Amino acid sequence: AQSVTQPDIHITVSEGASLELRCNYSYGATPYLFWYVQSPGQGLQLLLKYFSGDTLVQGIKGFEAEFKRSQSSFNLRKPSVHWSDAAEYFCAVGAGGFKTIFGAGTRLFVKA
Amino acid sequence: EAQVTQNPRYLITVTGKKLTVTCSQNMNHEYMSWYRQDPGLGLRQIYYSMNVEVTDKGDVPEGYKVSRKEKRNFPLILESPSPNQTSLYFCASSPTGAANEKLFFGSGTQLSVL
Repeated sequence: AQSVTQPDIHITVSEGASLELRCNYSYGATPYLFWYVQSPGQGLQLLLKYFSGDTLVQGIKGFEAEFKRSQSSFNLRKPSVHWSDAAEYFCAVGAGGFKTIFGAGTRLFVKA
Repeated sequence: EAQVTQNPRYLITVTGKKLTVTCSQNMNHEYMSWYRQDPGLGLRQIYYSMNVEVTDKGDVPEGYKVSRKEKRNFPLILESPSPNQTSLYFCASSPTGAANEKLFFGSGTQLSVL
């Protein structure tokens, strides 16, 4: 069955520290992978996406993600977190059949 | 400005009282979809529409209805709301619904059913 797992419900990092949010997927074919961010009181906004080619993709707001087929992972990273990055982050797979499957989300807290 | 507009942002109602949450997009997208977001469960698809007059069930359609009479509008109808439908609801759209398209989301509707 197609699924997306985000193992961490919440993560706390200090401002200026690096960040890695984990995402594992289960999908039979080559996946279309997305990371979305949800700021408080707002809808989801696309951070970045992977379809094919270079396995390291760059997104907005200084985020990047690396696709690792052997590990079925698509982890999101940022070298230096800012207080404004506090939000909930969702990993998703474009599964075809008019479906996008979302993970449960990881809430990021940023300490001053 | 390209956007998906949902109304209302917040809604409190009582069990059994019919309600409608509206969704409108101004991007001429063929595909629209409704999700509910619950803690620990992420976003789950309720219904989606591939075009005018074409709709289909998502993963959690029970207790919900939709219609797509115009391309821009995709209202979500709860004919007899129950407390287990208390949730945060999002409408989303994309050009055709293809797997490689990003979704454009509304700002959400927080529904409480007492």
